[in-house]
Amino acid sequence: GAVVSQHPSWVICKSGTSVKIECRSLDFQATTMFWYRQFPKQSLMLMATSNEGSKATYEQGVEKDKFLINHASLTLSTLTVTSAHPEDSSFYICSALTSGRGETQYFGPGTRLLVL
Amino acid sequence: EDQVTQSPEALRLQEGESSSLNCSYTVSGLRGLFWYRQDPGKGPEFLFTLYSAGEEKEKERLKATLTKKESFLHITAPKPEDSATYLCAVQEGSEGYALNFGKGTSLLVTP
Repeated sequence: GAVVSQHPSWVICKSGTSVKIECRSLDFQATTMFWYRQFPKQSLMLMATSNEGSKATYEQGVEKDKFLINHASLTLSTLTVTSAHPEDSSFYICSALTSGRGETQYFGPGTRLLVL
Repeated sequence: EDQVTQSPEALRLQEGESSSLNCSYTVSGLRGLFWYRQDPGKGPEFLFTLYSAGEEKEKERLKATLTKKESFLHITAPKPEDSATYLCAVQEGSEGYALNFGKGTSLLVTP
């Protein structure tokens, strides 16, 4: 149980284009999902908290107009990187929060983004 | 100042050589402390949650313990397949369910 998927697993795009990443909880409903970014040899940095049916909450320093988050259902959250630039190249990982006793974040497999 | 500090940064063990990884934290109102395993190029895999000092959890060769200031992940008789980066994260009561991660310990177990 508690399986989270991400699509695509990797993407290469040209500078200036937009890229959408999907995060799905496959066997449970998640009111809250999180988006992280991880640079090589570094730990996960929280970008934003996504709540179903409401606006996402962004961490300090994360541009909300650049990283658009939509949590349209209890099993799907999307992250769109708008007008991507080479410095946006990174490993993006989502997680979904289980409810009930012991809320736990289960992570997706990650999406590798390379902006040329 | 880091709220979550993991040590050592890297650890090399021979197969069967037991050891411990450390995670020290400085947060007020700990809601939970989490251990994850991350393999290269993959998302973190959940291992344990600890909620209060004195609590212990075990899974196969891994055992996690918690005090008021730190957590240990004990690895007993490790195997090469235990090689991975082990991440510690804290959930602070005032910060909702967001996780604050340490930088991880990269473990290599050689045959």
